[in-house]
Amino acid sequence: AQSVTQPDIHITVSEGASLELRCNYSYGATPYLFWYVQSPGQGLQLLLKYFSGDTLVQGIKGFEAEFKRSQSSFNLRKPSVHWSDAAEYFCAVGARNNDMRFGAGTRLTVKP
Amino acid sequence: DTGVSQNPRHKITKRGQNVTFRCDPISEHNRLYWYRQTLGQGPEFLTYFQNEAQLEKSRLLSDRFSAERPKGSFSTLEIQRTEQGDSAMYLCASSLEVNNQPQHFGDGTRLSIL
Repeated sequence: AQSVTQPDIHITVSEGASLELRCNYSYGATPYLFWYVQSPGQGLQLLLKYFSGDTLVQGIKGFEAEFKRSQSSFNLRKPSVHWSDAAEYFCAVGARNNDMRFGAGTRLTVKP
Repeated sequence: DTGVSQNPRHKITKRGQNVTFRCDPISEHNRLYWYRQTLGQGPEFLTYFQNEAQLEKSRLLSDRFSAERPKGSFSTLEIQRTEQGDSAMYLCASSLEVNNQPQHFGDGTRLSIL
């Protein structure tokens, strides 16, 4: 079965600084990868997804992620963080759409 | 597109009581999923419907839990004889039938057991 590891439980960055959130997956076949964001008390909003093709995918809110098969990684990046980006970020891997596994999440704090 | 709607947003109940949550998916989505999310964790898959058929259930879904989607539209999740460990956020998501279309999530129902 597939699994996801998000090594960083909590990250703090200054507003305007760049951001990279790490995600490593384990799956025997070509994975389907997702990044979601969750604000307190809210559901999850899809930021971006990777199914196939170009390994650098663009998402909403200025986020991008790069699929690296050799490293089993799908790290999320943003060149300049805004205070409104403070939230919990979840990486997920799907073998089929009815069996999506989430990582434990990375909480992002943005310093003024 | 009004998004996935979940009711109630919050439920507080005493241990041993039964609770029922409702999820209204995006109207054209025929797949519907239930997840449980505890503090500091990602969502954990509970069960999944395609139209009215419940196709998969996680081992997390004990026999106190039951989910239905009688007409292939809204779904209910019932927990009988609630326990302290049932306290969590219960999330519903829906998607199109095409494989690996992204799931769209509701805002969840937060359950607190006294």
